[in-house]
Amino acid sequence: SQQGEEDPQALSIQEGENATMNCSYKTSINNLQWYRQNSGRGLVHLILIRSNEREKHSGRLRVTLDTSKKSSSLLITASRAADTASYFCATDVGGNTPLVFGKGTRLSVIA
Amino acid sequence: KAGVTQTPRYLIKTRGQQVTLSCSPISGHRSVSWYQQTPGQGLQFLFEYFSETQRNKGNFPGRFSGRQFSNSRSEMNVSTLELGDSALYLCASSSGRGGGTDTQYFGPGTRLTVL
Repeated sequence: SQQGEEDPQALSIQEGENATMNCSYKTSINNLQWYRQNSGRGLVHLILIRSNEREKHSGRLRVTLDTSKKSSSLLITASRAADTASYFCATDVGGNTPLVFGKGTRLSVIA
Repeated sequence: KAGVTQTPRYLIKTRGQQVTLSCSPISGHRSVSWYQQTPGQGLQFLFEYFSETQRNKGNFPGRFSGRQFSNSRSEMNVSTLELGDSALYLCASSSGRGGGTDTQYFGPGTRLTVL
């Protein structure tokens, strides 16, 4: 079963609006990563947040992590049409086990 | 640096055939992972290699196999193809020893269609 579950499954917003995606997971983690995938292409790493961090920023991206609730959120501010993609969270539970990806949120930004 | 490359990009096979996919990691990366992506199951982990050794294996049947060469290039093979093997196969490399600690750098994928 998937470790991370993104919510919502799909999101449609207007250009310039903010987009928020959530990820919930089941077991304790070492870190959580967010990736973006443009249609039918490979994934691109966006940001990594460690379990002892609560918030990280990268450009227009803001990621929060709440380990007590086992959840993370990805905020994209001032969205652009080029942000249209699927966004995945991936969790590292340690022990040299591989990353486990959620099923993703499909974001559509309408110009 | 050149990114992760995968060949071929598209492949059409018929049931019962076998297929070999190739992945060249970023120069200097010794860890390579393979994933299968389908609309229904999402991204499913297949295997992970580090320095020619398989470190992790996902929950796939024995028809799925892989290997890594001394130059870190990796191949995966699927024998006796089934319709359900139609998917996007993604390869990723990382600079560390593997596992979930590392950032994964993905290739563009190989789109396999089984008829």
